[in-house]
Amino acid sequence: QKEVEQDPGPLSVPEGAIVSLNCTYSNSAFQYFMWYRQYSRKGPELLMYTYSSGNKEDGRFTAQVDKSSKYISLFIRDSQPSDSATYLCAMSGPNNAGNMLTFGGGTRLMVKP
Amino acid sequence: NAGVTQTPKFRILKIGQSMTLQCTQDMNHNYMYWYRQDPGMGLKLIYYSVGAGITDKGEVPNGYNVSRSTTEDFPLRLELAAPSQTSVYFCASSYRVYEQFFGPGTRLTVL
Repeated sequence: QKEVEQDPGPLSVPEGAIVSLNCTYSNSAFQYFMWYRQYSRKGPELLMYTYSSGNKEDGRFTAQVDKSSKYISLFIRDSQPSDSATYLCAMSGPNNAGNMLTFGGGTRLMVKP
Repeated sequence: NAGVTQTPKFRILKIGQSMTLQCTQDMNHNYMYWYRQDPGMGLKLIYYSVGAGITDKGEVPNGYNVSRSTTEDFPLRLELAAPSQTSVYFCASSYRVYEQFFGPGTRLTVL
């Protein structure tokens, strides 16, 4: 079993739709939960992060963490064609001397005009 | 600031050849990382460094070597290239645990 699981997609939605992207994980020690966005042939860039459980909102994006279920989500409201990218979840735990992250495999999202 | 830069952008190697992937960051970050990304497999950590002179193995270090003589540079060396090393390689640096800054990547093909 992988430490972080993510549906690879592709997920295809019409412009304006609400998108839900999800990851499950097995390590209960994870405390930081991140979402990275990666455009085609580019490096990943941080989109949002959440510490411990709860919700965080930034414009059209909302990140949710449910530590009891070991489940995290990213919601995109009013999706735009420019949101078409691969979304990678990443996690980190305490006592991590190297600030290392554990990544999911990524979900490819396509938003059609 | 240029952020994290990587060279070359593309490279084709023959089996058994060697090469060095260059990585430089200008953000004065102590932490630096090398990842490989295979299709649908996410990012796998090859090596990382917590500061100049200090490096450690990640999840998939076999076939690679690194050095960190300065804060800015973190080159990745491939010795005796194999087809299994065909991948996209990303270098990253960080200051905070939750944010890594990635370079544009190097696409390597070993034939």
